Amino acid sequence: QKEVEQDPGPLSVPEGAIVSLNCTYSNSAFQYFMWYRQYSRKGPELLMYTYSSGNKEDGRFTAQVDKSSKYISLFIRDSQPSDSATYLCAMSGGTASKLTFGTGTRLQVTL
Amino acid sequence: NAGVTQTPKFQVLKTGQSMTLQCAQDMNHNSMYWYRQDPGMGLRLIYYSASEGTTDKGEVPNGYNVSRLNKREFSLRLESAAPSQTSVYFCASSDAGRILYGYTFGSGTRLTVV
Repeated sequence: QKEVEQDPGPLSVPEGAIVSLNCTYSNSAFQYFMWYRQYSRKGPELLMYTYSSGNKEDGRFTAQVDKSSKYISLFIRDSQPSDSATYLCAMSGGTASKLTFGTGTRLQVTL
Repeated sequence: NAGVTQTPKFQVLKTGQSMTLQCAQDMNHNSMYWYRQDPGMGLRLIYYSASEGTTDKGEVPNGYNVSRLNKREFSLRLESAAPSQTSVYFCASSDAGRILYGYTFGSGTRLTVV
């Protein structure tokens, strides 16, 4: 069993929809959580990061962490075609630890 | 532009040939990483260098070697390429001890071994 599980999709939604992307993990030591966005034929880029449990909002994006359930989510409001990309979750147990990545969820936002 | 630069962007090799993938960062980061990305497998760590002068194996090191040439540069070498090494390779760097800033990735090298 992988330390981080992520549904690969693809997930197809109409423009303007609310999107929910999720990851589950098994390592209770994880306390730093991130979301990366990867456009086709590009490298991943950091989208959001959170520490420990709770919510963090940045524009149309909200990252949510539930450490008791070992479950993290990324919500995208008013989704746009430009949001079409692969979204990877990543997490770490400490400031000097390496990141463990999920396999990514491919999102397609249609007009 | 500041960031991670990878060369080449594309490469086709014949089985048994060797090549070196180059990576350089200009953000004064201590740590550097090499990943491969395959459909359905996500990012898999090949090798990493926590600081200049050190290298360590990751999840899938077989068939690869690395060199941390200096603080800026981290190269990945395939000594005898195999079709199983067909993949997209990403180099990344990070500021040691500042995990919340995440990793900065290059744009990737698409390698095909025939």
